[in-house]
Amino acid sequence: DGGITQSPKYLFRKEGQNVTLSCEQNLNHDAMYWYRQDPGQGLRLIYYSQIVNDFQKGDIAEGYSVSREKKESFPLTVTSAQKNPTAFYLCASIGTGEAYNEQFFGPGTRLTVL
Amino acid sequence: AQSVAQPEDQVNVAEGNPLTVKCTYSVSGNPYLFWYVQYPNRGLQFLLKYITGDNLVKGSYGFEAEFNKSQTSFHLKKPSALVSDSALYFCAVRRDRGSTLGRLYFGRGTQLTVWP
Repeated sequence: DGGITQSPKYLFRKEGQNVTLSCEQNLNHDAMYWYRQDPGQGLRLIYYSQIVNDFQKGDIAEGYSVSREKKESFPLTVTSAQKNPTAFYLCASIGTGEAYNEQFFGPGTRLTVL
Repeated sequence: AQSVAQPEDQVNVAEGNPLTVKCTYSVSGNPYLFWYVQYPNRGLQFLLKYITGDNLVKGSYGFEAEFNKSQTSFHLKKPSALVSDSALYFCAVRRDRGSTLGRLYFGRGTQLTVWP
């Protein structure tokens, strides 16, 4: 999964709790992305960041928050406001300047709400 | 608006037979097209991409894809399927201009099953 690590691999959350998913990359990429994957729905973009200290909402940002304090790190917090957080979460990155570059993906975190 | 359609949720093929996984797209400007594969509980792995030039693109594991501008399609193909090709396949598109150059738009995925 090429230079991007996500932790933990599995995460269990009780209702009403916030949890933070880690994403770290050593590829020196400027842009990073968070996707949510549900069966039969493909990948949906939650948040993305094209540069440190800047990020934008994707298509399904409600109930999620992010930060980008370092180039290497883009943590995702799933808040209690997210009504249905059970899903597989994928982090990705890409080098800037070349729109034809492919995104590199991490191995994913499976979040389950108990 | 950018979008990708994968019209088949599932494709089943016998080992040794050719396989095709279909993808059509809609994008403003020229498209950059990608195919990814996902094995269970894993991240996505890049297979191949079309940027410009030859409409037939060759990628990893013997896969290839044909870009057809008039039909706005980018179908994934392999001449002889293997059982190990069984996985979830995603098509994605990016436009070649705009402020969010890196953003990819994904299809919903096609589950490929190759039976012995």
